[in-house]
Amino acid sequence: EVQLVESGGGLVQPGGSLKLSCAASGFNFSIYWMSWVRQTPGKGLEWVANIKRDGSEKYYVGSVRGRFTVSRDNAKKSLYLQMDSLSAEDTAVYYCARASGVNANWFDPWGQGTLVIVSS
Amino acid sequence: EIVLTQSPATLSLSPGERATLSCRASQSVGNYLAWYQQKPGQAPRLLIYDASNRATGIPARFSGSGSGTDFTLTISSLEPEDFAVYYCQQRSNWPPYSFGQGTKLEIK
Repeated sequence: EVQLVESGGGLVQPGGSLKLSCAASGFNFSIYWMSWVRQTPGKGLEWVANIKRDGSEKYYVGSVRGRFTVSRDNAKKSLYLQMDSLSAEDTAVYYCARASGVNANWFDPWGQGTLVIVSS
Repeated sequence: EIVLTQSPATLSLSPGERATLSCRASQSVGNYLAWYQQKPGQAPRLLIYDASNRATGIPARFSGSGSGTDFTLTISSLEPEDFAVYYCQQRSNWPPYSFGQGTKLEIK
């Protein structure tokens, strides 16, 4: 069974840092682009970051560029999101997802999500 | 950035009825459009990719159509488990990808 399991969410103060992890199983992790997508009640679903199969290319939405860093460890079949300089606007459920399709066209499957709350 | 606008925001129908959900893009996305279903407390689930292809395990009552800027998700005969929120998503020109704001399909 293809599965993604996120961890690492929690409560963090504004300006703080948090690192999310996503453990993959049931598929050949190293041949897929991987993504982080977040969801808030106010802004809905928002793509956050993508990372290429070998980690050589990374892309971010403008609002997190320079603050968030996506990485992966193919040997451990794991995806990470290092989040620094967090603000209240980063409060969301963060999902990892496999970017599927020839050109990473869509997201399938998704993990169950991990909640990040930025608050003092 | 390409903006996706979904309509209606809420759709109230009864089981057995046909549901038609719309997604309009601010510029052409070709056929690079996907649809997702999300139920409360769950992650989104891929239903349709490349505008009209059903994902693995998705029932035949779900179908997608359209290209360019106008897309439709149709559920031919609603089952009780179909009442959820539906999102469209484009990848024509990523980054960034973008999602629509969602259509809530509720029981009438």
